[in-house]
Amino acid sequence: QVQLQESGPGLVKPSETLSLTCTVSGGSITTYYWSWLRQSPGKGLEWIGHIYYSGSTSYNPSLKSRVIISIDTSKNQFSLKVRSVTAADTAVYYCARETTVTYNWFDPWGQGTLVTVSS
Amino acid sequence: DIQMTQSPSSLSASVGDRVTFSCRASQGISNYLNWYQQEPGKAPKLLIYGASSLQSGVPSRFSGSGSGTDFTLTISSLQPEDFATYYCQQTYDPHTFGRGTKLEIK
Repeated sequence: QVQLQESGPGLVKPSETLSLTCTVSGGSITTYYWSWLRQSPGKGLEWIGHIYYSGSTSYNPSLKSRVIISIDTSKNQFSLKVRSVTAADTAVYYCARETTVTYNWFDPWGQGTLVTVSS
Repeated sequence: DIQMTQSPSSLSASVGDRVTFSCRASQGISNYLNWYQQEPGKAPKLLIYGASSLQSGVPSRFSGSGSGTDFTLTISSLQPEDFATYYCQQTYDPHTFGRGTKLEIK
């Protein structure tokens, strides 16, 4: 069965760029959409954006100006970059597979990784 | 963006009880509504998609209903492993989630 695992620094300084990678195992990344989400006490669960294996992306308008999602099909990985971070970007970041047939849903999810923005 | 409002924010119940969670969308979303369960320290887990379709492997005591703006998740007979937080999510772009209902042991 497909499993996802986030990796990356747990601490990022304000104004710098947050970078995370999600490694997909147990299945090919060349199907489905692949999403990033985050969860914080202040904003709850928030969808950041997604990417298709072709490289087509869609982002949440609230973050679009600061976010880039990319994909490396040779490594079965996709990545997230959020530039110019502030304390408001402190959250648990999740990657997830997004199924898009008649309905859309996120399943499975990675275990999540806490990213703290602090100097 | 479509706002999702869940009520109540917390709920106390006992093993064996029937419980109902409510979710309201700020505008009509047909049946493009999912439910997730989240245990402390873990990622959300999909329970219901399309408002009423049970995800594979999820126990049949979970059921979902509703269409338009008002939706319900029901657990027919609470089990000890069901005490968690439940979230609804609508799937129009951008996807948005409710703030959750925390189910606690009475």
